[in-house]
Amino acid sequence: EDQVTQSPEALRLQEGESSSLNCSYTVSGLRGLFWYRQDPGKGPEFLFTLYSAGEEKEKERLKATLTKKESFLHITAPKPEDSATYLCAVQARGGSYIPTFGRGTSLIVHP
Amino acid sequence: EAGVTQFPSHSVIEKGQTVTLRCDPISGHDNLYWYRRVMGKEIKFLLHFVKESKQDESGMPNNRFLAERTGGTYSTLKVQPAELEDSGVYFCASSQSRQGYEQFFGPGTRLTVL
Repeated sequence: EDQVTQSPEALRLQEGESSSLNCSYTVSGLRGLFWYRQDPGKGPEFLFTLYSAGEEKEKERLKATLTKKESFLHITAPKPEDSATYLCAVQARGGSYIPTFGRGTSLIVHP
Repeated sequence: EAGVTQFPSHSVIEKGQTVTLRCDPISGHDNLYWYRRVMGKEIKFLLHFVKESKQDESGMPNNRFLAERTGGTYSTLKVQPAELEDSGVYFCASSQSRQGYEQFFGPGTRLTVL
């Protein structure tokens, strides 16, 4: 069974204090790993898809990386508006396109 | 471009009642997904439509849940009769990609069954 574990559950940072969120996964052949951002009362907002180990993608202050066992979402010099829950999901190879989500990391950036 | 919309945003019903949730995907997106998040748990897949056809409904909890997608446009998810454990946030998402890459989520419907 596919599994996704995100850590930490919650993270508090000061504005400008860089850090990383972790997504560890177990899947029988990875088709894709997805990162989403979710603000309170809203649906997840797509950020990145990573397909193979070694791949990296960037968007503003966010950078996602992928290895064979985990993915990191690096946040450089965060701002208060980066506060949100960050979700990771994986999709296994095979006939099904069902994603398996982690429970997310709640990030709060203090000014 | 309008995003994915869901109606209602909140619903509070009594156990045994019926509730119908609606999702309007982004225009032109053939792929539509329903998910549910129970409090304290992760988002779980319910089913996937490609146009009006059910591609995968393996995540539907039981036969009290019925999903339809009329003419390949909007979709409804009916729960009848509702049970306490059906409470949660129901998300709809749509995608141009059949593989489910880059899904656009709606704001969700928060369902409370008393």
